[in-house]
Amino acid sequence: DGGITQSPKYLFRKEGQNVTLSCEQNLNHDAMYWYRQDPGQGLRLIYYSQIVNDFQKGDIAEGYSVSREKKESFPLTVTSAQKNPTAFYLCASREAGAMDADTQYFGPGTRLTVL
Amino acid sequence: DAKTTQPNSMESNEEEPVHLPCNHSTISGTDYIHWYRQLPSQGPEYVIHGLTSNVNNRMASLAIAEDRKSSTLILHRATLRDAAVYYCITQGGSEKLVFGKGTKLTVNP
Repeated sequence: DGGITQSPKYLFRKEGQNVTLSCEQNLNHDAMYWYRQDPGQGLRLIYYSQIVNDFQKGDIAEGYSVSREKKESFPLTVTSAQKNPTAFYLCASREAGAMDADTQYFGPGTRLTVL
Repeated sequence: DAKTTQPNSMESNEEEPVHLPCNHSTISGTDYIHWYRQLPSQGPEYVIHGLTSNVNNRMASLAIAEDRKSSTLILHRATLRDAAVYYCITQGGSEKLVFGKGTKLTVNP
């Protein structure tokens, strides 16, 4: 089955530690995205990538970093500079150029708790 | 900021139709109207999208006002599995989907 996987589903870290969240897709999509969601809120865009080896900052990129070395993978690192990292993190992908090009497909999310 | 306005919450009874409204008075002529829904502790799921004409798919129908300043997502027969937060989003050429707080739909048995 094609889809987006995020691992782990739950992640606990101590304050001051960097942590990397995994996102893999086998949909052959060009564009990938990372969002953050806080309780009772909508999604906010952290970073996005339209093509391998290229990515752009979203609305709340401070304290986060990404890489896009492979088409199917877009890992997100939450650094110690992120002041309030506890949140639900969602990865998404989109096929550029398709008729439904604007449709994004989301992974199941990773809930990060910093203790 | 989100460019759409939705009620914070709505309730429905199982097996009844649900009409979820969305206002997007500043929509431009080339912006699509998208609907996603998010079940608790899951990622959002695409529901439907349209530009000018009403749209139907296996999940729902989308009714778009003639002036495109509002739209309505229609679930023809609500089930308990339809309980979710529904997001209405308008998007043009930008890469970004801007998610507001959406409408939390409660379905009563």
